[in-house]
Amino acid sequence: AQTVTQSQPEMSVQEAETVTLSCTYDTSESDYYLFWYKQPPSRQMILVIRQEAYKQQNATENRFSVNFQKAAKSFSLKISDSQLGDAAMYFCAYRSARTGGFKTIFGAGTRLFVKA
Amino acid sequence: GAGVSQSPSNKVTEKGKDVELRCDPISGHTALYWYRQRLGQGLEFLIYFQGNSAPDKSGLPSDRFSAERTGESVSTLTIQRTQQEDSAVYLCASSPDSFNEKLFFGSGTQLSVL
Repeated sequence: AQTVTQSQPEMSVQEAETVTLSCTYDTSESDYYLFWYKQPPSRQMILVIRQEAYKQQNATENRFSVNFQKAAKSFSLKISDSQLGDAAMYFCAYRSARTGGFKTIFGAGTRLFVKA
Repeated sequence: GAGVSQSPSNKVTEKGKDVELRCDPISGHTALYWYRQRLGQGLEFLIYFQGNSAPDKSGLPSDRFSAERTGESVSTLTIQRTQQEDSAVYLCASSPDSFNEKLFFGSGTQLSVL
């Protein structure tokens, strides 16, 4: 079975600085998707960034980028120029790309604090 | 609607009572998921609906939990004889179809069982 592990329960960053959130996963599959979701106090999960496992190039969305290391099964999220609005819970998630592999598996989350 | 809508936003109930949680997915989305999020923890898969196919109930924790969905519309998650360990945020997500890997979430229902 696939698992997703986030080893940092909390992280803190100064406004305008850069922070990296860690995620590792375990799977025997070769084709899958990885995600980072943000959950602000409103509780609504928002997709931050998505990576397809067959693509070697790391995904980037504005200030958010990932470091995808397929062999190491590592998928970290880098937030550059941190803003107060980035404070939230961040969840790393995995989903198989095989037909019928619909279940998205989430890690336990990392709470990010942004200091002014 | 423009987004996934869940109601109620908060629900407080007494141990032993039944509760019903509602999810209204994005119009046209055929896939619908329920997740449970206990305090300080990640999301735990409960159940999945895809169109008119039989739902995947493999994540339901006990027979006190059940869910229904009529076609591609509203879904209800029912918890019978609630227990204190049922206290959690129940999140609903929808997706255009089961092949689309992106999930669109509602704001959840915070269930508190006293």
